[in-house]
Order: sequence, then structure tokens, then C-alpha cells
Amino acid sequence: DVKVTQSSRYLVKRTGEKVFLECVQDMDHENMFWYRQDPGLGLRLIYFSYDVKMKEKGDIPEGYSVSREKKERFSLILESASTNQTSMYLCASTTGRGITGELFFGEGSRLTVL
Amino acid sequence: EDQVTQSPEALRLQEGESSSLNCSYTVSGLRGLFWYRQDPGKGPEFLFTLYSAGEEKEKERLKATLTKKESFLHITAPKPEDSATYLCAVRMAAGNKLTFGGGTRVLVKP
Repeated sequence: DVKVTQSSRYLVKRTGEKVFLECVQDMDHENMFWYRQDPGLGLRLIYFSYDVKMKEKGDIPEGYSVSREKKERFSLILESASTNQTSMYLCASTTGRGITGELFFGEGSRLTVL
Repeated sequence: EDQVTQSPEALRLQEGESSSLNCSYTVSGLRGLFWYRQDPGKGPEFLFTLYSAGEEKEKERLKATLTKKESFLHITAPKPEDSATYLCAVRMAAGNKLTFGGGTRVLVKP
């Protein structure tokens, strides 16, 4: 079974802190994604990556950056956390070039910024 | 602007009471519509892919259908374990990303 593991399930940070959210997948998938999920807004794409050292902006990249140094690992970075970044963050991966739609998600990281 | 709208936002059912969830979309050049199930505190889990109008997919008590403007997820004789949030997402012809709807929270009471 594909496993997507997010390093932290729950985090509490203060405004202005730097936050790292890490995601690792074990199925050699080329594509990896970061979404945030907020009530009433659904899942919104922050960044995605088709390959190592490659990244593309999603719909809401402002305030975020990403890193993909190894194929299995995709990190989301909040350089200076703000209260409006309090959310559930979901990492996903899928195989192949382009998006098949069959994404495999991690269990999520719930971030609270005080 | 491409949009995906799910209705209702929430649905309370008695065990055995069949119902349908709606996912309507206004995207140009649909290249796939996808249904996911999400349990509380978990990430979404893939259910179905539909590519063309008239297509249907089934899995246990769930059946997904697709028209040119919307998709339905039918839940037949639901059980309490069907309680979850159901998400739909669409892939457009241009670009390589999914656009998700807001989800429908389903609660099935015994």
C-alpha cells in the first residue's frame, strides 16, 4: 500500500515563527502536492512538484515555499507564520507525468498559529 | 472562472435511507471528475474516476454518475460506517491540477 507520511499531526506556533512541514512517500511517485483545507473552502492547492528540485505554484502560494531535494520528500515552509495560516495541511502524491486524479493523501498536519 | 460546487453541505440519513450527493462544475474541457471520501482527522481517500458523460462507477453501496454539467454520488441503503465527508474534484483540459469542491458531510444514524 502507498503510504504518505506527514511528520507532524498537530503543531502550535507563534506569529512570525518559521514552520517546516515535511512529507514522505514510499512508492517512488513523481508528483507531490501540498494542499490546505479550511471549512467551507475545500482543498486549495499551495504548491506541487513533478520531479526532484522542481516546483510549481498552485492557487494560493503566497506566504509559502517548498523544497524537494529528494524524490520521496516534499517540504512546505512557512517563512513567517501568520494567524491566517492556521489550517489543516495535506500532502499528497501520485505516479506518472501529469495528474491522474488518484491522489494518495497523508493524514494531515493541523497547524495553529497564535 | 472554473468552479466546483457540492450540495448539500450536510446530510443526515437514517440507516437504510438512500440519498444522492451532487457535484456541479463549470469548467472548460473536463478531463476527469474524481470522488474522494474523508473521515474525521484523516486525509481524503480516492473512490472513483469518471471521464465522460454517461459513465457510471460502483463500489459497495456507492455509485457515481456523470453528466456534462454535474456528477451524483448515490448512497444506497447506507450504514453508519458510510458517515464521512465526500469530496469531488475536477481536472481541466488545460493545466495539471485538481479543483476540489467544498464537500458534503454525511451522517448516517443507526
